Amino acid sequence: AQKVTQAQTEISVVEKEDVTLDCVYETRDTTYYLFWYKQPPSGELVFLIRRNSFDEQNEISGRYSWNFQKSTSSFNFTITASQVVDSAVYFCALSGPVFFNKFYFGSGTKLNVKP
Amino acid sequence: NAGVTQTPKFQVLKTGQSMTLQCAQDMNHEYMSWYRQDPGMGLRLIHYSVGAGITDQGEVPNGYNVSRSTTEDFPLRLLSAAPSQTSVYFCASRVLGGGQAYEQYFGPGTRLTVT
Repeated sequence: AQKVTQAQTEISVVEKEDVTLDCVYETRDTTYYLFWYKQPPSGELVFLIRRNSFDEQNEISGRYSWNFQKSTSSFNFTITASQVVDSAVYFCALSGPVFFNKFYFGSGTKLNVKP
Repeated sequence: NAGVTQTPKFQVLKTGQSMTLQCAQDMNHEYMSWYRQDPGMGLRLIHYSVGAGITDQGEVPNGYNVSRSTTEDFPLRLLSAAPSQTSVYFCASRVLGGGQAYEQYFGPGTRLTVT
């Protein structure tokens, strides 16, 4: 079975603090894909990153970075020097490799960044 | 490109009424899907399609029908609305092929209330 767990329901930080959002996944597939999406208060879902299971390199994009560790089945997301505009719900998702694949979403982490 | 569009943005139904949520995409994506988002539960897959004429069930298909007569459109039908179907509905699409799972692009959502 495939499952994504985001244990942090809600996190509050003060602007400029660093924050890490945790994502733990379960899958029996040897090839799989992981994603992060952002849902700001306006409600739309914005794609942030896609990572496949055979690429364990960490990725950095501006203030955002992602740490993928197969050994612990985790794909954590860190925001450095958080800003109020980072306030949103963040979802981690997992997909398998097969043609009719489905996405499995975690329950999301709500991040509140206070000025 | 308009991307993924959904209509209506808001809808209130009475129990037992039927309606169709519209979804269209102009990116020529083979894969389209419908999700519902409920508080604390992330996004759950209702139905998906891998091309015109081909649909399949997701995690929570009961009470919903879909069809896919064109690449562009993927309507979701509520047969007899129930209060348990009060939710935010998202349509998404993505590229298929290449043996990989590509990211999905989401529409703006439809907020449905069933009284």
